[in-house]
Amino acid sequence: EVHLVESGGGLVQPGGSLRLSCAASGLTVSDNYINWVRQAPGKGLEWVSVIYAGGDTYYADSVKGRFTISRDNSKNTVYLQMNSLRAEDTAVYYCARETVAVARGYHFYMDVWGKGATVTVSS
Amino acid sequence: DIRMTQSPSSLSASVGDRVTLTCRASQSISTKLNWYQQRPGKAPRLLIYAASSLQSGVPSRFSGSGSGTDFTLTISSLQPEDFATYYCQQSYSPPMYTFGQGTKLEIK
Repeated sequence: EVHLVESGGGLVQPGGSLRLSCAASGLTVSDNYINWVRQAPGKGLEWVSVIYAGGDTYYADSVKGRFTISRDNSKNTVYLQMNSLRAEDTAVYYCARETVAVARGYHFYMDVWGKGATVTVSS
Repeated sequence: DIRMTQSPSSLSASVGDRVTLTCRASQSISTKLNWYQQRPGKAPRLLIYAASSLQSGVPSRFSGSGSGTDFTLTISSLQPEDFATYYCQQSYSPPMYTFGQGTKLEIK
């Protein structure tokens, strides 16, 4: 069975840093697309970042230059390093596996999600 | 950026009701549209991908339709566990995915 487990959340002051981890079981992170999606309190879902199987990385404009996604294949874990944190980064952060279906074109969707890690940025 | 707008924002219904939720894209996205269910305090769960394909393990009372800019998610007969928030997501412009603001389905 496929599982993703986030860890590393917590309370951090504005301007501080935090690193989230997404440990995978039942899948190999280096063979998959792994996303980070966040949800601010009482709000909707916001895509944050992705690391592709080939190693390419992408970021939402709201976090570009401050967040870095990476992976450690030996630990089968994806990381999200978050620097220069702001109050508006307060959210539950989910990692999610992205899958592609081929049927009248390519269709991408997130089919496996972790339970989430809570990040609170406050003084 | 592609904007996704869901309607209504909230909906009250009863067990056994048939309900239809709507999602509109700011530009044509073909059938690059996914639906997720999120129960309170839980992670999102994929229901429908490619606008109308049912994810494995999802009950057949859920169905999706649409193409271009207008999409619907229909629940044919509401069950108690279906009261949750539903999000649409466009996958037309990877990796910059955007979600709708959600429709909260509440018990009447």
